[in-house]
Amino acid sequence: DQQVKQNSPSLSVQEGRISILNCDYTNSMFDYFLWYKKYPAEGPTFLISISSIKDKNEDGRFTVFLNKSAKHLSLHIVPSQPGDSAVYFCAASDNYGQNFVFGPGTRLSVLP
Amino acid sequence: DTGVSQNPRHKITKRGQNVTFRCDPISEHNRLYWYRQTLGQGPEFLTYFQNEAQLEKSRLLSDRFSAERPKGSFSTLEIQRTEQGDSAMYLCASRRPQGTGAFFGQGTRLTVV
Repeated sequence: DQQVKQNSPSLSVQEGRISILNCDYTNSMFDYFLWYKKYPAEGPTFLISISSIKDKNEDGRFTVFLNKSAKHLSLHIVPSQPGDSAVYFCAASDNYGQNFVFGPGTRLSVLP
Repeated sequence: DTGVSQNPRHKITKRGQNVTFRCDPISEHNRLYWYRQTLGQGPEFLTYFQNEAQLEKSRLLSDRFSAERPKGSFSTLEIQRTEQGDSAMYLCASRRPQGTGAFFGQGTRLTVV
């Protein structure tokens, strides 16, 4: 059973516009959520995180929103840049990181 | 370079051989994770250390797999009697106490032929 789902395998966005990447989870014990970006042949790079006591966290162009009742989080990138083109993984953990569970990823393409 | 370092970057081995990978975490990070990633999938958790103690192992970690972190610093992941299904990217990550995200190395790509 997939505890973290990213139902869009790919997303294309025009440069300068907003990119919205979505993630759903099933395990109500998850209390910490993260987004990673991955380029080919590299390890994932940590982008931003949010704990379950918040509903929004912002870092520059990246904002993560958490809706606990819907078990849903999203990553907003504004404005999108061609260098943002990568695979984005949503991850979740309980007890602040004993074990991170990753979604299957969404490939974002930002078109110039 | 103070990032997570993994060696080797690539390993090609024949089925049935043993392989060992090494991970050097960021120095002040006491938590170390091993993940496996196959094409089109997210990283799958294998095991987790806090200092030298191995605190959690996934059921993916069969008895052919063993991981160690002898002095709470670097870690090794050994796969014995490799099978073609072991072909994947093996990722190591580390995290400091009460830190935010775990920081990943560049991975070791294993190909079993």
